Amino acid sequence: LAKTTQPISMDSYEGQEVNITCSHNNIATNDYITWYQQFPSQGPRFIIQGYKTKVKNEVASLFIPADRKSSTLSLPRVSLSDTAVYYCLAFLGGIYNQGGKLIFGQGTELSVKP
Amino acid sequence: DADVTQTPRNRITKTGKRIMLECSQTKGHDRMYWYRQDPGLGLRLIYYSFDVKDINKGEISDGYSVSRQAQAKFSLSLESAIPNQTALYFCATSSSGTWDTDTQYFGPGTRLTVL
Repeated sequence: LAKTTQPISMDSYEGQEVNITCSHNNIATNDYITWYQQFPSQGPRFIIQGYKTKVKNEVASLFIPADRKSSTLSLPRVSLSDTAVYYCLAFLGGIYNQGGKLIFGQGTELSVKP
Repeated sequence: DADVTQTPRNRITKTGKRIMLECSQTKGHDRMYWYRQDPGLGLRLIYYSFDVKDINKGEISDGYSVSRQAQAKFSLSLESAIPNQTALYFCATSSSGTWDTDTQYFGPGTRLTVL
């Protein structure tokens, strides 16, 4: 069964680094992993995307091990405004239109405290 | 994202009623998606469309139908609403390209309550 798994919630303090890991043990060979951020009463918003090793942009880093069965979103020096739900997204189970599915993780609720 | 709009934003209806949720986008994207979000379950894909003539079922299409009236418009219908379809519904769009590298842009959501 295609599935992605994330921790349900995490707590942190301002200025700390936060790492959120998503497991996706059935990811297709050529598929990317994407992370989204969602604030209350809003739609999800793209954060970062990667295929393997490490990707970095102005807001986050993404680490993907060689086996690609998991990925870790890293948020450096979080602030109160980073309090949100974070979702990983992967295309699992095979090739598009041949049984593959677009699967969101259940989301990780990050709470950043002063 | 203001480029993706959904109407209505909130809707309360009764069991058995037919409901249509509408999505419009000004991003010029070919691909459009409908998701539902339930507490603790994240987002689940209902239907997606890669162009006007392409409609595909997602993970949870039973009880739903869609219509792609134009490149910019994608509607979701509940033919006979039931209480367990109470959820937050999101429309999203993405540009053509590799399926798995698309960045999706989400609308603000429609909160649907079925009594």
